[in-house]
Amino acid sequence: AQSVTQLDSQVPVFEEAPVELRCNYSSSVSVYLFWYVQYPNQGLQLLLKYLSGSTLVESINGFEAEFNKSQTSFHLRKPSVHISDTAEYFCAVSDHYNQGGKLIFGQGTELSVKP
Amino acid sequence: DAGVIQSPRHEVTEMGQEVTLRCKPISGHDYLFWYRQTMMRGLELLIYFNNNVPIDDSGMPEDRFSAKMPNASFSTLKIQPSEPRDSAVYFCASSLRGNTEAFFGQGTRLTVV
Repeated sequence: AQSVTQLDSQVPVFEEAPVELRCNYSSSVSVYLFWYVQYPNQGLQLLLKYLSGSTLVESINGFEAEFNKSQTSFHLRKPSVHISDTAEYFCAVSDHYNQGGKLIFGQGTELSVKP
Repeated sequence: DAGVIQSPRHEVTEMGQEVTLRCKPISGHDYLFWYRQTMMRGLELLIYFNNNVPIDDSGMPEDRFSAKMPNASFSTLKIQPSEPRDSAVYFCASSLRGNTEAFFGQGTRLTVV
């Protein structure tokens, strides 16, 4: 069975500071990895994903995540955060044999950016 | 496309009543998922369908919960009878085989009093 662990439930940071949201997964098969973002009272939106190829993936708004197979991690980073990045972030995993997007989520990390 | 559409957005009901949540997936998507989000348990996959057929309902908590997908453009999640511990946000998501991104609706916030 697959599982995802997000190591921090809350991460407070100041605006323009760097941030890292940690994610570890466990799986007996090859996986796809995702980060989703949820703004207050909204559904989840895909932020970025790793399917294959380069282990470093980027989003359009400056986030990046690196797939580390040996450490079974997929940490999310941003060098300089904005107030508008305040949201909850979810790491998720699905296996290569399930191409329909069945996702197992971590518990979420609440990112709070303060001025 | 308008995205995944869920209704109602908010539902308040009394314990023991039947509750039906509705979902319209993105046109052309062949997978549909129902998730439940609570503070205590996070995001849980309840059930998912492929081509209108339920594939895995192991996440459905009890027999009080049932889900149907009568056609490719509509699904329901029913709770009968409802209990206060069912209070949560219920999300529907859809995806297209070969494309591993799931698209989520805005969710239905259910409160059972």
